[in-house]
Order: sequence, then C-alpha cells, then structure tokens
Amino acid sequence: GENVEQHPSTLSVQEGDSAVIKCTYSDSASNYFPWYKQELGKRPQLIIDIRSNVGEKKDQRIAVTLNKTAKHFSLHITETQPEDSAVYFCAASSGYSTLTFGKGTMLLVSP
Amino acid sequence: GAVVSQHPSWVICKSGTSVKIECRSLDFQATTMFWYRQFPKQSLMLMATSNEGSKATYEQGVEKDKFLINHASLTLSTLTVTSAHPEDSSFYICSARDRGGKNQPQHFGDGTRLSIL
Repeated sequence: GENVEQHPSTLSVQEGDSAVIKCTYSDSASNYFPWYKQELGKRPQLIIDIRSNVGEKKDQRIAVTLNKTAKHFSLHITETQPEDSAVYFCAASSGYSTLTFGKGTMLLVSP
Repeated sequence: GAVVSQHPSWVICKSGTSVKIECRSLDFQATTMFWYRQFPKQSLMLMATSNEGSKATYEQGVEKDKFLINHASLTLSTLTVTSAHPEDSSFYICSARDRGGKNQPQHFGDGTRLSIL
C-alpha cells in the first residue's frame, strides 16, 4: 500500500518568513495530493490540493509543488502569520482509494 | 459548500456504556465516509471505510464488533463504540467524499472527543 513520509515534524519560523513542508510517497499510482491544516482540537481543513497532471498550484500565500518522477510534493507558505500556526498534514491517494496521511508537521509562527 | 456535521462533539461516560457518533454530509451526497481515530499529537489513523448500502471495510487491528458502522443513506454514517472502556478514549473524526467521480477531496467533521471514566 501507499506510504507517505512527511518532514519536518516541527517547524518554527518568524512572522513574515516562508515555511516549507515536504512529503514523499511510495505508490507511483497516486495521483491526488491534498494538504490539510488542523488547529488544536479542531477538524482538519483542506487548504490546497494538486492532481498529477500539474506540477504546481498556487492560492494566495500557499503553493504546492509536485514532482512525480521523484515522488515528492511540498507545501510552501509565504509571508507567514501567527494564525498559520497549526499542524499540517499531507496526503496521497489514487482514484477512489482512501487517503494515506503523513504524520503531520507542527508549524509555529512567532510574532 | 462541502460541510460535514458530526455530533456529539464531546462525550463523557462510564465504562461499559455504548456511544453512538453521527456523521452527516449536509450539502453533498457521500457514497463513501471514513472514520478516523486521532491520539494527541499524532496523525489521523484510519479505522474503517463506510460505504452506503454495504458493509464497512475495517483496517487491520480494528475490531468490527467493537466499532459498529452503519451507512444507511448517502448523507449519514454512524459509528457506535460498544461497551466502551477507558482505552477507547480518543478523538474520533469522520470524513466524507463527494460521490462525484475520482479524486474528490475528503471533508472532515468537527470530531468527537470521547472520554470513558
């Protein structure tokens, strides 16, 4: 089955800096890669996703890149703000399969 | 759009009690819903996949007689934790996927924090 590795497990940045979280996956059939943000005690919220037919997708301060050859994808947050502090999860799936999640990255943005 | 409602949000009960958690997709139809368990500071652990009108598919190590899943309609799935014990205390989250084709996003409910005394 699919295996998703996520790094780093924790990331501390200063407000205004950029943050990058990286994930790798094992199943070359995976073609859908969402990113979720989870604040403490709350639901994971989909913040951006990318499908394998594109290499990059951007939504305001958030961008995701995908390298299918290397089987890795990354989340980029620019101009970080304290409200970006949360746990971020990457995930991968193919077609109708279930999502396989990474272990999460705790992002802390200090004012 | 894509709202998933889960309740109750918090349950505290005595050991031996059975607890039922509901997960509803409010503005879309979900042939597939998922139940996760999350321990503090850990990732989401898939417990089972719930398919409308058929039996749930349980992940390895999850007791199907302990965690009963029913997906009776395209908008409702329920998880019943039977004869709950303190070790069942956890954060349970459901998610639903729109029936509209492949690679649709999963949308999560608010979760249920279960505490067994």
